[in-house]
Amino acid sequence: DQQVKQNSPSLSVQEGRISILNCDYTNSMFDYFLWYKKYPAEGPTFLISISSIKDKNEDGRFTVFLNKSAKHLSLHIVPSQPGDSAVYFCAATYNQGGKLIFGQGTELSVKP
Amino acid sequence: GAVVSQHPSRVICKSGTSVKIECRSLDFQATTMFWYRQFPKQSLMLMATSNEGSKATYEQGVEKDKFLINHASLTLSTLTVTSAHPEDSSFYICSARGAVSQPQHFGDGTRLSIL
Repeated sequence: DQQVKQNSPSLSVQEGRISILNCDYTNSMFDYFLWYKKYPAEGPTFLISISSIKDKNEDGRFTVFLNKSAKHLSLHIVPSQPGDSAVYFCAATYNQGGKLIFGQGTELSVKP
Repeated sequence: GAVVSQHPSRVICKSGTSVKIECRSLDFQATTMFWYRQFPKQSLMLMATSNEGSKATYEQGVEKDKFLINHASLTLSTLTVTSAHPEDSSFYICSARGAVSQPQHFGDGTRLSIL
């Protein structure tokens, strides 16, 4: 049972444009969501998070949006840069400090 | 800040060997450490959660006698894959967290190959 889903395995975007990565979840108990970025042969790097009491959180070029009614979150990267090319994982947890449930990842390619 | 070091990065060994993987938080005290496993093209799957000084909590389907976890200090946790077999070949990643409100920070993973 995949509680966190990233339905797009890959995404290709032109440098300078917006990248939108999507994530859906099924468990309404999740109250904290995170995005991680992963390069090959490295561990995931924390990017940004959002609590379920918010619908938006912004940090520089990265913005995460949460739509609780749709059980959907998205990560916006503006403007996209070639160095953003990596695999992006969304993750969810409940009781904030609980275990993370990861999506399958979306591979972002930003072309110069 | 929040650097997690995992060692070794790659291990190749014969079937039946036991392999120890170390996970260290370098610049913060990790109250809780997590061990994940990732198969190719798949998500990270949590294997176990360990709190410093306590026994690890294993996820359903993970053999605790096979995957021994020790979290003896606030900066070090180890995963020992005992009597490893080819089906144990995988990418193992640890993460560490300080306060409950903080995100998990990950090591760079260990690629384990059992011949």
